[in-house]
Amino acid sequence: DVQLVESGGNLVQPGGSLRLSCAASGFTFSGYWMTWVRQAPGKGLEWVANIKQDRSEIYYVDSVKGRFTISRDNARNALYLQMDSLRAEDTAVYYCCRGKGADYWGQGTQVTVSS
Amino acid sequence: DVVMTQSPLSLPVTLGQPASISCRSSQSLVSSDGNTYLSWFQQRPGQSPRRLISKVSNRESGVPDRFSGSGSGTDFSLQISRVEAEDVGVYYCMQATHWPPWTFGQGTKVEIK
Repeated sequence: DVQLVESGGNLVQPGGSLRLSCAASGFTFSGYWMTWVRQAPGKGLEWVANIKQDRSEIYYVDSVKGRFTISRDNARNALYLQMDSLRAEDTAVYYCCRGKGADYWGQGTQVTVSS
Repeated sequence: DVVMTQSPLSLPVTLGQPASISCRSSQSLVSSDGNTYLSWFQQRPGQSPRRLISKVSNRESGVPDRFSGSGSGTDFSLQISRVEAEDVGVYYCMQATHWPPWTFGQGTKVEIK
């Protein structure tokens, strides 16, 4: 079965950094684009970033460009999101998803940016 | 960016009755490869989203056949033929034709009357 397990969420002060991880199993990780989607409290879904299988294409939503970095390690079946210069508006549950079409989702990890 | 507009945003339904959610895109979602990358997601209370339908009308494995998707171009809909209690939640459409960015609708909250 496909499994995506996020970790790394925490409470952090504005301007701080966090690194989210997503451990993938049950499928050939190196064969898929991977995506991060977030959901602010009580709000809808927002695509954040995604990365092609070989890292040759990477895309970000405008609001995180220059602050967030998506990466992957195909040998470890792992997806990452390095989040720097965090703002209050980055507070959300962050989901790891398989593929550009997000056919599988993890359980999410909570990121709270507050002083 | 492609804007996805769902209606209604709140949908009270009676158990056993049909329900329909509309999703409109600000531009045609027909891709250069001929496919239309419009998906529907269900998010039950306290759970992660789950993809129900891809490419307008392709139901995911394990999704009950009371869920169906239809539409073309810029107008799409998700239909539930007979609403069950487990269908309560928020439903989102998403386009993956014109990217970046990939964009979601605002969500439609389905609740039982």
